[in-house]
This record gives sequence, structure tokens and C-alpha cells, in this order.
Amino acid sequence: GQQVMQIPQYQHVQEGEDFTTYCNSSTTLSNIQWYKQRPGGHPVFLIQLVKSGEVKKQKRLTFQFGEAKKNSSLHITATQTTDVGTYFCAGPRGGNTPLVFGKGTRLSVIA
Amino acid sequence: DGGITQSPKYLFRKEGQNVTLSCEQNLNHDAMYWYRQDPGQGLRLIYYSQIVNDFQKGDIAEGYSVSREKKESFPLTVTSAQKNPTAFYLCASSMYGQGTQYFGPGTRLTVL
Repeated sequence: GQQVMQIPQYQHVQEGEDFTTYCNSSTTLSNIQWYKQRPGGHPVFLIQLVKSGEVKKQKRLTFQFGEAKKNSSLHITATQTTDVGTYFCAGPRGGNTPLVFGKGTRLSVIA
Repeated sequence: DGGITQSPKYLFRKEGQNVTLSCEQNLNHDAMYWYRQDPGQGLRLIYYSQIVNDFQKGDIAEGYSVSREKKESFPLTVTSAQKNPTAFYLCASSMYGQGTQYFGPGTRLTVL
């Protein structure tokens, strides 16, 4: 079935360093969504990408959707301690069925 | 305030007991979901419902049951048949099946 793979599983960075997480799908996606879960919290929707090659920015966060619509990335410039958490990507399974979530990338930021 | 609520936040039960987790939403969303999250793990789909009085099994439905008698409510029962019930349970809702999901704060269940 549809799978969404995320790498890396964990990333530890010094505050101020950049961070990137990658999401790869076994099939073409109609869209991809990104969520953030703070430690002890619940996932919160960040953004949805729909178009091939789409790039969206939210302050220091840059989201990209690949040209083939099978991969996506989230890049954080100059990480801050507030960026700590787990970042999940999610894509449609097909039909009107729920999203399938990647296993997430857990980001730790060392001050 | 519109949102999705789960109660209780923490729940302790003895092994062999069934326990029901509450999930309520006032977002007027058609679809609702239950996920299980284990430490350091991703989100695993237990059950989902896209319309009142209908629901489907997710990836790990064994040992769980649900009902959807009202649009606003989607309770999850963790039965004694679930071998490893201790986990963080998240409820979510969306306007439609592939829409953006809004999560509740979660319930941490510990079975002793």
C-alpha cells in the first residue's frame, strides 16, 4: 500500500544551524501536508503543497514539493529552541481514505 | 471556540478492563480519526469515520472498537483484547477524507 518515508528519524543541531527533513512517497501524491508536534503535545498542521515544484515559505521554514510530486522537504533556516519537536509529512492514500503519515523527524536544538 | 477535545488527559486502568476514551469536535467536520502513538513513534491509524453511523478499520484496529452515533462524537473503546494498550491516543477530525486534520490534545492511557 501507499507509504510515506521520512528521513532522518532524528536530528540534533546547534542553535543557529539549518535543518532539513525529507519525505518520499512510493506513489505520486495529489498533495502533501506537513505537521509539527511539540514534545508532550499534539500534531498541528503547518502547510499543504499541491502543485508540482511548489515552494512555500513561513518565516524561517521553507517547504518544497518535488517536480514528480513524489517527494517533499522542509528546511528550517537558523534553528531556534522553539523549533524543537517532531515534524511529520502526510499524503493521501487514494480515494477518499485518510492521510498516511510518515514516521516523523524528531528535531533537537542545543542552545 | 471551535476545536476538538479529548478526555481525560491521563487515564490509568487495570489490566483486563475495557476503557472508553472520549473525543468531541464542534468544527462540523464529517471525518474523524483515532491514532495511537508510542514513544518515539509515528501515528498509527486505529479507526476512522467519514460519516455518522459508519466507520472503517485502520491499520491497527485489533483490540479496539468505536461508534459514531453523532457527528460531533467518536469515542474509542480499548478492550481487554488489546495486548499492549499503554500508549498516547490522539483523536483528529477533518472536513473530508483527505483534508487537513485537526488533532485533540490526546489521552495518555496507562494499563497497570
